[in-house]
Amino acid sequence: ETGVTQSPTHLIKTRGQQVTLRCSSQSGHNTVSWYQQALGQGPQFIFQYYREEENGRGNFPPRFSGLQFPNYSSELNVNALELDDSALYLCASSPGLAGVVYEQYFGPGTRLTVT
Amino acid sequence: QKEVEQNSGPLSVPEGAIASLNCTYSDRGSQSFFWYRQYSGKSPELIMFIYSNGDKEDGRFTAQLNKASQYVSLLIRDSQPSDSATYLCATFTYQLIWGAGTKLIIKP
Repeated sequence: ETGVTQSPTHLIKTRGQQVTLRCSSQSGHNTVSWYQQALGQGPQFIFQYYREEENGRGNFPPRFSGLQFPNYSSELNVNALELDDSALYLCASSPGLAGVVYEQYFGPGTRLTVT
Repeated sequence: QKEVEQNSGPLSVPEGAIASLNCTYSDRGSQSFFWYRQYSGKSPELIMFIYSNGDKEDGRFTAQLNKASQYVSLLIRDSQPSDSATYLCATFTYQLIWGAGTKLIIKP
């Protein structure tokens, strides 16, 4: 157990709808990253938040947005859902932008299915 | 385009043998290197990280880094059936770049 929690575990949505996924980071961690993982592929970086500010973004459209709260928990919002958004969404927390080493600890993930 | 390449496998190894997993990366600016294990339907679990050339050992696991050749490897000694999983390699510059993973099967 990493101490990182995500909700919900599973979610089914219809194309065009909006979804919010939630993540609580490990105690003492102030950085949260979100990833999308399609079946049989490695995680794809969506974005990262450090102390409530977006601190890097991958190649995802603006309909993917996020927030980090003062307690360092985070949300991922996806608007106008598309079928290709069906994936495992992973949240990872880490203890800040500390030098070279940057280990991340993952939550259990949210499985999103878009029909 | 920064890339991390891994052989998708499956790599089949007899129980008790050494499993060797390899990863190459394209970004010479990569600073840190990570190995994660992912069981089917679960999230990735950090096994080891390495940032200096050479070997780093942790129990049955050894990570090897060669920055000149741009590869990093993971050795698993005395392989157990519970080691059967997908192993993901990731490199860090300003964000983590991930490989697609190698599926490892340990045969009893």
